[in-house]
Amino acid sequence: QMQLVQSGPEVKKPGTSVKVSCKASGSTFTTSVMQWVRQARGQRLEWIGWIVVGSGDTNYAQRFQETVTITRDMSTSTAYMELSSLTSEDTAVYYCAAGATVWDFDYWGQGTLVSVSS
Amino acid sequence: EIMLTQSPATLSLSPGERATLSCRASQSVSSYLAWYQQKPGQAPRLLIYDASNRATGIPARFSGSGSETDFTLTISSLEPEDFAVYYCQHRSNWPTFGQGTKLEIK
Repeated sequence: QMQLVQSGPEVKKPGTSVKVSCKASGSTFTTSVMQWVRQARGQRLEWIGWIVVGSGDTNYAQRFQETVTITRDMSTSTAYMELSSLTSEDTAVYYCAAGATVWDFDYWGQGTLVSVSS
Repeated sequence: EIMLTQSPATLSLSPGERATLSCRASQSVSSYLAWYQQKPGQAPRLLIYDASNRATGIPARFSGSGSETDFTLTISSLEPEDFAVYYCQHRSNWPTFGQGTKLEIK
């Protein structure tokens, strides 16, 4: 079992960046894959990307290739998702999820609301 | 990118009834499909992976079936806590999600 606790809500201006954290406990962080997914109000889930914690390998959805960076800090068992060049369309709840492989979303964080407004 | 289309958009049923939710893929995904349940204000919860395997702790009333392009999630006898939104997901290096089916109390 793994528990994921995300950082708190953020309010950002257009054109700025946001960095959301996801702290893992209860299972082996170093052998997991951390995913990031977002959900705008009333919309479907949208995959952003993943990081293989042990190797640091990443893979991003095409639409986020130029704006997202996913990292991890193994010393604190924390994954991060940084999204830059924010627009109002980036207003959403951002979730981290974890599993043993890049295909797994077994455990989920509680979500972080990111609001982008001028 | 593989598109997933779920139907119906909304399903109105009563507790004790059987629920059948569908997910259709734009091309074959073999059996690499998962189902999630999401309640308001909560994160999604994994129910089924690889089309028919229940995740740990998921009650036996939840079952999944299908392959290639057509998949079904069945809830054999609805409990009050089952009313939620359900999403299907293509399991791959570039996952995609369906638009969801809202299961509401009739």
